[in-house]
Amino acid sequence: ETGVTQTPRHLVMGMTNKKSLKCEQHLGHNAMYWYKQSAKKPLELMFVYNFKEQTENNSVPSRFSPECPNSSHLFLHLHTLQPEDSALYLCASSQPGTGDEKLFFGSGTQLSVL
Amino acid sequence: DAKTTQPTSMDCAEGRAANLPCNHSTISGNEYVYWYRQIHSQGPQYIIHGLKNNETNEMASLIITEDRKSSTLILPHATLRDTAVYYCIVRALNNAGNMLTFGGGTRLMVKP
Repeated sequence: ETGVTQTPRHLVMGMTNKKSLKCEQHLGHNAMYWYKQSAKKPLELMFVYNFKEQTENNSVPSRFSPECPNSSHLFLHLHTLQPEDSALYLCASSQPGTGDEKLFFGSGTQLSVL
Repeated sequence: DAKTTQPTSMDCAEGRAANLPCNHSTISGNEYVYWYRQIHSQGPQYIIHGLKNNETNEMASLIITEDRKSSTLILPHATLRDTAVYYCIVRALNNAGNMLTFGGGTRLMVKP
């Protein structure tokens, strides 16, 4: 148990569906992240939020829409996805400003787009 | 961020030490070396990090060369549960905070 919980664990959706991924952290951190891990590829950073403000968007297509209502929760809203968006989506948190921030990851949501 | 180079895969016998190398020849003076591992179908897990000195914790030891251009992660007594992909990352702070860039890592297979 890392203190970062992601739901759902698995998700299958059609290209016309709208779904959301949820991440919650119980560590008191103020930075949260979305990473994408496609099969046989390294993790790719998608978004970074610091103190609820988005500070990084790594050229992610607009069909992925993040939301951070507070420092403990992070969502990734999905709409009109493509089959190539099938991947493991990982949420992480850290405490910025401490000088040696470690990332704590959730177990991820395995997404399949049909 | 400085880039890292790791072997694609390694094998280790159960109970023996696993020594995972990492090259980071372009590392800057204020960049830390971090190690994470990812067991299949789980999120990455922090293992250890260091700046210049060797470090040890309950999971592993980190040996950093004097010129800081390479490092070695040591799992002293590898178990089957240590089978995972191990990522060596050099981290630089930016205004957004902690930005980690993951490479391909080393796939460690611990065999009975």
